[in-house]
Amino acid sequence: QVQLVESGGGVVQPGRSLSLSCAASGFTFNSYGMHWVRQAPGKGLEWVAVIWFDGSKKYYADSVKGRFTISRDNSKKTLYLQINGLRAEDTALYYCARDRGVGTLGSFDYWGLGTPVTVSS
Amino acid sequence: EIVLTQSPATLSLSPGERATLSCRASQSVSNYLAWYQQKPGQAPRLLIYDASNRATGIPARFSGSGSGTDFTLTISSLEPEDFAVYYCQQRNNWPPLTFGGGTKVEIK
Repeated sequence: QVQLVESGGGVVQPGRSLSLSCAASGFTFNSYGMHWVRQAPGKGLEWVAVIWFDGSKKYYADSVKGRFTISRDNSKKTLYLQINGLRAEDTALYYCARDRGVGTLGSFDYWGLGTPVTVSS
Repeated sequence: EIVLTQSPATLSLSPGERATLSCRASQSVSNYLAWYQQKPGQAPRLLIYDASNRATGIPARFSGSGSGTDFTLTISSLEPEDFAVYYCQQRNNWPPLTFGGGTKVEIK
């Protein structure tokens, strides 16, 4: 069965960096686009970034552009999110999610349980 | 950026009743709209994709309709496990992918 397991979250000071990971299993990882989606405490869902199945294309929300970097290692079946220059408004639960299509269609059929990021001094 | 507006913010209903949730887009998204269900402490779950297609394993009481700018998620007869928050999401014009603000379906 499809499993996505995020890790790497924690409490960090403003301006610091953090690296999130998402380990995938139960499907052909290198055939699917992958996304990060976040949810601030008590708030709705916000799409953060996408990476194409082969890593050839990456897109970001304006709110994170220039600070966040999405990447993947298909040999390790792992998705990453490097977060630099953390701000209080980055505090959220970060989900990795599989794109629904073989390719990248822009909707999400499987989600991990998320990893929490808290930015606080 | 396409803005999705969901209404109502909260829907108070009893088990067995019909739920009708609305999602309106700031510009046409064709039929490229999805619906997700999220329960407290859980990840979202895909219910409907491309406006009217049920995702794998989703019960038939969930249905989606609409195109262009106006969409509806209908739950024909609420089961106790259906009380949750529902989000719509568009993929017609992206990036960015955008979500609506959510509708909470609560027990009356």
